[in-house]
Amino acid sequence: DAGVIQSPRHEVTEMGQEVTLRCKPISGHNSLFWYRQTMMRGLELLIYFNNNVPIDDSGMPEDRFSAKMPNASFSTLKIQPSEPRDSAVYFCASSFLGLFTVTDTQYFGPGTRLTVL
Amino acid sequence: DQQVKQNSPSLSVQEGRISILNCDYTNSMFDYFLWYKKYPAEGPTFLISISSIKDKNEDGRFTVFLNKSAKHLSLHIVPSQPGDSAVYFCAATFNQAGTALIFGKGTTLSVSS
Repeated sequence: DAGVIQSPRHEVTEMGQEVTLRCKPISGHNSLFWYRQTMMRGLELLIYFNNNVPIDDSGMPEDRFSAKMPNASFSTLKIQPSEPRDSAVYFCASSFLGLFTVTDTQYFGPGTRLTVL
Repeated sequence: DQQVKQNSPSLSVQEGRISILNCDYTNSMFDYFLWYKKYPAEGPTFLISISSIKDKNEDGRFTVFLNKSAKHLSLHIVPSQPGDSAVYFCAATFNQAGTALIFGKGTTLSVSS
């Protein structure tokens, strides 16, 4: 398997522009997580989906952030409008949640490094 | 307030010696703990985990110890190798699949040959 795929790997944009980050989870996985990594806050969860349904979005910083998962193989994280403080590395992770799964291992993509000027 | 803390931002160790990375947590409800390793320009990769019903879990050169009363866990790497140089994240969660991981800020391990 190719693992979790994220695009783009790097994004540089100007303040006020819309930014869309993309993620393709591992085939067969049914849980998808978006994390953000910054120096100040480390790795923090933004939102997670199970079977394409958002389960917990309490980590989404504000209304400028939105995430969708239209099908099992694709998710987007959108920032509109972007601000310099959004500069960070954004990771997508996926896992399999089965009927008898107690805890699942999350597999991370390589991340998207976002710079907002 | 951070629920998972890695108080040492960095650690330097010589090849062949033991590396000990530490992690403290504040929420006594956490009952599953994981360590992830991250190389530059890559995503974190799962390394080893431990359930709160255990106090030790071993996988090759990697051993995780859990002290519930102290809310403390540690990762031991023996012997350390230059390829172990990476950022190590401690994470905690609840023993319920599909819940989010709460990460520490990471410790950068440098193993010199």
